[in-house]
Amino acid sequence: EAGVAQSPRYKIIEKRQSVAFWCNPISGHATLYWYQQILGQGPKLLIQFQNNGVVDDSQLPKDRFSAERLKGVDSTLKIQPAKLEDSAVYLCASTREQAADTDTQYFGPGTRLTVL
Amino acid sequence: TQLLEQSPQFLSIQEGENLTVYCNSSSVFSSLQWYRQEPGEGPVLLVTVVTGGEVKKLKRLTFQFGDARKDSSLHITAAQPGDTGLYLCASHGADRGSTLGRLYFGRGTQLTVWP
Repeated sequence: EAGVAQSPRYKIIEKRQSVAFWCNPISGHATLYWYQQILGQGPKLLIQFQNNGVVDDSQLPKDRFSAERLKGVDSTLKIQPAKLEDSAVYLCASTREQAADTDTQYFGPGTRLTVL
Repeated sequence: TQLLEQSPQFLSIQEGENLTVYCNSSSVFSSLQWYRQEPGEGPVLLVTVVTGGEVKKLKRLTFQFGDARKDSSLHITAAQPGDTGLYLCASHGADRGSTLGRLYFGRGTQLTVWP
């Protein structure tokens, strides 16, 4: 079974530029998550999708961040415009069925973003 | 909002030593998970504990869930360089207002095992 795929793996941009990240979850996984992991901290949830609908985006800075999962499979996360404090690893994760507390979340390798 | 405190933040030991890392909260957990994250990779689930007082073993790793379900520990026996990584505890949250499936992570313990 292929794991969660993310691209690009690394991205360096200047502040005020735009950037987009792509995630392909494990086949058949209904729930998809985007996390932000700042250096020295644990991952923090940004947004959770159930199929193509948003379940939780309470921690997403909506003035600059947006995410979509149009067909309920792949997802993109966009930052526009980027700030220095957005430098972090952006992790995508997926779970098999409707989210449950005992479900295993499978994480991708992440995209490391550096904003100069 | 769940607040998971992990200690120590950094741990550097020699191969063959034993170690314990901790995860604590003032809230009661419905369940708690431990993950290991290696450089350049995403976290990988090691174990889920659900019942207070539960002990689970995974080879040289022993996970314990506190009786009151507010704390957990991870003990590694005879650590090896391959155990090097960031150990994260995470909870789905105890309050009923939490979104189902949402994980709250601690800051992690960065473990380095030297040969």
